[in-house]
Amino acid sequence: GQSLEQPSEVTAVEGAIVQINCTYQTSGFYGLSWYQQHDGGAPTFLSYNALDGLEETGRFSSFLSRSDSYGYLLLQELQMKDSASYFCGSGSARQLTFGSGTQLTVLP
Amino acid sequence: DSGVTQTPKHLITATGQRVTLRCSPRSGDLSVYWYQQSLDQGLQFLIQYYNGEERAKGNILERFSAQQFPDLHSELNLSSLELGDSALYFCASSVAETSFNEQFFGPGTRLTVL
Repeated sequence: GQSLEQPSEVTAVEGAIVQINCTYQTSGFYGLSWYQQHDGGAPTFLSYNALDGLEETGRFSSFLSRSDSYGYLLLQELQMKDSASYFCGSGSARQLTFGSGTQLTVLP
Repeated sequence: DSGVTQTPKHLITATGQRVTLRCSPRSGDLSVYWYQQSLDQGLQFLIQYYNGEERAKGNILERFSAQQFPDLHSELNLSSLELGDSALYFCASSVAETSFNEQFFGPGTRLTVL
């Protein structure tokens, strides 16, 4: 089976940097993905890590350590529009699992 | 706009009934995934089809079934509905067969069972 754990809530101020952690227990792990979801909206893809290390896409970066079964999403220069839920997800050959999501609140 | 369409947007029905949710993937995508998201919950993977064939299965109830048609659109059938089936149902699509590539989500169907 697979399970992913992430904090339920994170709060930060505009312009700051925030890190959302994700630990996983999976069999046949292929990689870790991150999605953003605004209230009632469709999840949108942010990033995917198949290999250890850091992937950077604009203000967002994602990190994976397979040996530690751990990854994180780093959001820099936070903006009000970044307030949303963030999900980490992992896939194997026959299964997909997402964490319960982290609600990020950006304060002015 | 992800290019994935889902109909209907909202659905209200009674317990014991059966409904069908429809999804059209992005042009060129062969994989379709179905997810259930209950209130304040994460995304629960239900099932994946790739080019008409079932490829991966999550914790999908026996009362639920799905299929992908030759034109690649997919339908999720929910029967003997219970109050607990009330949720947002998302469809997603991707080009690849494997599950870890980028997926594009549709706007969802909000199902309310009364």
